[in-house]
Amino acid sequence: DTEVTQTPKHLVMGMTNKKSLKCEQHMGHRAMYWYKQKAKKPPELMFVYSYEKLSINESVPSRFSPECPNSSLLNLHLHALQPEDSALYLCASSQNPLATGYNSPLHFGNGTRLTVT
Amino acid sequence: AQSVTQLGSHVSVSEGALVLLRCNYSSSVPPYLFWYVQYPNQGLQLLLKYTTGATLVKGINGFEAEFKKSETSFHLTKPSAHMSDAAEYFCAVSERGNKLVFGAGTILRVKS
Repeated sequence: DTEVTQTPKHLVMGMTNKKSLKCEQHMGHRAMYWYKQKAKKPPELMFVYSYEKLSINESVPSRFSPECPNSSLLNLHLHALQPEDSALYLCASSQNPLATGYNSPLHFGNGTRLTVT
Repeated sequence: AQSVTQLGSHVSVSEGALVLLRCNYSSSVPPYLFWYVQYPNQGLQLLLKYTTGATLVKGINGFEAEFKKSETSFHLTKPSAHMSDAAEYFCAVSERGNKLVFGAGTILRVKS
């Protein structure tokens, strides 16, 4: 069982819908990440939160909006998505942000499979 | 900037045979190196990591990897493949900048 929980597991949404992906960890980790993974491709970094503050935005379109309400929760708000945004969205956490120099590996959730119609 | 090259998008081995998955990295500073495994419809699971110290690192499920600075390599091995090892494997590098960069992945197939 993964220690990073993502909901929902599957999501189908139209291009005009607004939906949110949720991620939760109770390991006391202080860094949380959103990755996007297309089929047969490696995960691509989208956002990094370090101590609940957004530290990296990899030039992600504004139709994706991250939120970190507290140290255990991470949301990804979706609005006006395009069919090419269909992918597996992975949340991850690490004990310390990588930039601090600690060798904290990332712990991944099982992802949300998003289909945009 | 760091980068990772995994040689071979698909590797096929017989059950009981040696598993060797190749990874070469590029980094301007001593890197942190990781191997992750992804089973179908699941997230990524850490197999092992190298940060400092011993260059031969052992991970879960009988896997190990050796950091070779002179060859800029971090190849993953397992002496005897099991059917349950069939999955996709990702090598990753971090230069301590909050970014973990993944290789393209290698799909391991295990034949009975």
